[in-house]
Amino acid sequence: DSGVTQTPKHLITATGQRVTLRCSPRSGDLSVYWYQQSLDQGLQFLIQYYNGEERAKGNILERFSAQQFPDLHSELNLSSLELGDSALYFCASSVESAGEAFFGQGTRLTVV
Amino acid sequence: GQQLNQSPQSMFIQEGEDVSMNCTSSSIFNTWLWYKQDPGEGPVLLIALYKAGELTSNGRLTAQFGTTRKDSFLNISASIPSDVGIYFCAGYDLSGNTPLVFGKGTRLSVIA
Repeated sequence: DSGVTQTPKHLITATGQRVTLRCSPRSGDLSVYWYQQSLDQGLQFLIQYYNGEERAKGNILERFSAQQFPDLHSELNLSSLELGDSALYFCASSVESAGEAFFGQGTRLTVV
Repeated sequence: GQQLNQSPQSMFIQEGEDVSMNCTSSSIFNTWLWYKQDPGEGPVLLIALYKAGELTSNGRLTAQFGTTRKDSFLNISASIPSDVGIYFCAGYDLSGNTPLVFGKGTRLSVIA
């Protein structure tokens, strides 16, 4: 158990819908990262937050947004969902903005 | 952005054999991390490296931070069936201001 908690574990939704994925980092970790992993693909960086502020942004679609709350948990919002958004979405956390990052179990999103 | 080239893409080995995989970057890194991912699970951190030339072991796993700061190696000795999975290298560049970037992974299959 990495200490990073992601909910829900599975999500099935229809095209055009909006979903919210939640991540609770390890206790004491200030940095949260979001990654997308499509079938048999690598980990694509989406966005990073550090202590509530956006730290770095990857190739995140405009339909996607995220935030980190004062209690340091983070949410990834995906809207106007398309079939191609079906993937595993991982959250990771680390103490500092650059250090050992620990991953959650992921949310498997299926868009039908 | 940074590119991490990880090789080989896949490996098929006999149980008991040693395994080597490596990762090279287009820029200087100050941290290298090695992860293992089982199907449908989140990546699990295996080894973290912070200094050029550093050699670190975790059981049968040994990883090295290359002296050029642009590469890292992971060796697995005496492979066993549970070593099956995808191994990812990841790292931060020297500035520490960029997100954790991942290689595309090495898929390891162990034949009993």
